Amino acid sequence: KQEVTQIPAALSVPEGENLVLNCSFTDSAIYNLQWFRQDPGKGLTSLLLIQSSQREQTSGRLNASLDKSSGRSTLYIAASQPGDSATYLCAVNFNKFYFGSGTKLNVKP
Amino acid sequence: DTAVSQTPKYLVTQMGNDKSIKCEQNLGHDTMYWYKQDSKKFLKIMFSYNNKELIINETVPNRFSPKSPDKAHLNLHINSLELGDSAVYFCASSQDVMASGGGFFGPGTRLTVL
Repeated sequence: KQEVTQIPAALSVPEGENLVLNCSFTDSAIYNLQWFRQDPGKGLTSLLLIQSSQREQTSGRLNASLDKSSGRSTLYIAASQPGDSATYLCAVNFNKFYFGSGTKLNVKP
Repeated sequence: DTAVSQTPKYLVTQMGNDKSIKCEQNLGHDTMYWYKQDSKKFLKIMFSYNNKELIINETVPNRFSPKSPDKAHLNLHINSLELGDSAVYFCASSQDVMASGGGFFGPGTRLTVL
């Protein structure tokens, strides 16, 4: 059974900081890994999708890396903004999506 | 254009009632899912269908019955609702069973059982 862990559970930073969110998983035989953002009371917005054969993906200020052998992924957010405040979810695709419990990010103006 | 849509967005009902949530995707995907997000915000899969066929059923009480009339729709019917069924239910779709293009999630249906 696949287990997905996200650290930290919550993070509060001042605006402008660069930050890293971590995701670890127990079984490396994954198809891909997807990072989502969830705003309070809202649905899931896909941020980045990394295939199992890839090492990283970038979109704007976001960069996600994948190290399958160690069962880890990181989401790097550069120059954080208050609008980045949300819960970030890591989903590991292992014939279905296994989600971590999320990292709640608060970026203070 | 809404890729994955769900109705209703909010559902408030009494214990013991039967209710349905509808989901539609216009992405031409073959695979659809239902996920439940509990009060601790943890998302867990309930069901998965591929081309109208059930492929994943995760130890969900049989009061929950998914139905896929065609591959663009996956509805969720819940009988004899209980307090513990209160949660947000998300529908999702993917290109294929391997979700090679990732997952696309609907906006969620917040179910409150009183």
